[in-house]
Amino acid sequence: DAGVTQSPTHLIKTRGQQVTLRCSPKSGHDTVSWYQQALGQGPQFIFQYYEEEERQRGNFPDRFSGHQFPNYSSELNVNALLLGDSALYLCASSPGLGSFEQYFGPGTRLTVT
Amino acid sequence: QKEVEQNSGPLSVPEGAIASLNCTYSDRVSQSFFWYRQYSGKSPELIMSIYSNGDKEDGRFTAQLNKASQYVSLLIRDSQPSDSATYLCAVETNFGNEKLTFGTGTRLTIIP
Repeated sequence: DAGVTQSPTHLIKTRGQQVTLRCSPKSGHDTVSWYQQALGQGPQFIFQYYEEEERQRGNFPDRFSGHQFPNYSSELNVNALLLGDSALYLCASSPGLGSFEQYFGPGTRLTVT
Repeated sequence: QKEVEQNSGPLSVPEGAIASLNCTYSDRVSQSFFWYRQYSGKSPELIMSIYSNGDKEDGRFTAQLNKASQYVSLLIRDSQPSDSATYLCAVETNFGNEKLTFGTGTRLTIIP
């Protein structure tokens, strides 16, 4: 049973650039959430997608945007990168509305220089 | 006040002893509570979920929930070196919307 997958594993970008991160949910899951985890901190909720729509959003600027595709996979886009965007970006999937158990992928380590 | 607070750690426990990890939360309407284990350089792994007051046991792990005190804990019995990790408490803080709020984590080290 394939778990949550994310790509790429690591990424190095320059300030001002744009980045796209990708996620495929666990088989049978249709809801995808994205989190940002800074070093030494717990994950911070960015947003969640269900049925190709953003259901809710955390306290992140509009530079952070996303998309969900018909096959439930998802992308996270970050524009105008700042040094402070350097973090581990985690994708989590869950089996649908009413289920709060979320399973994380391996993450994408983004470094902004 | 932070929404989810965990004992600051780091916590060192001898092998074979019981490790106790604590978490408090501020939103009284929260209904779902989770413990994740995160090894250094890895992503969080769900190890326990609890929804009702009382204890829930799974192998060497026991989660305890007291909604009146807004307190949730994780006990690890017969601690093993492989239990050395950061443990994250997560709370569903927006009832019905599946948004998880995490504490900053407690780093646990099991001493052989």
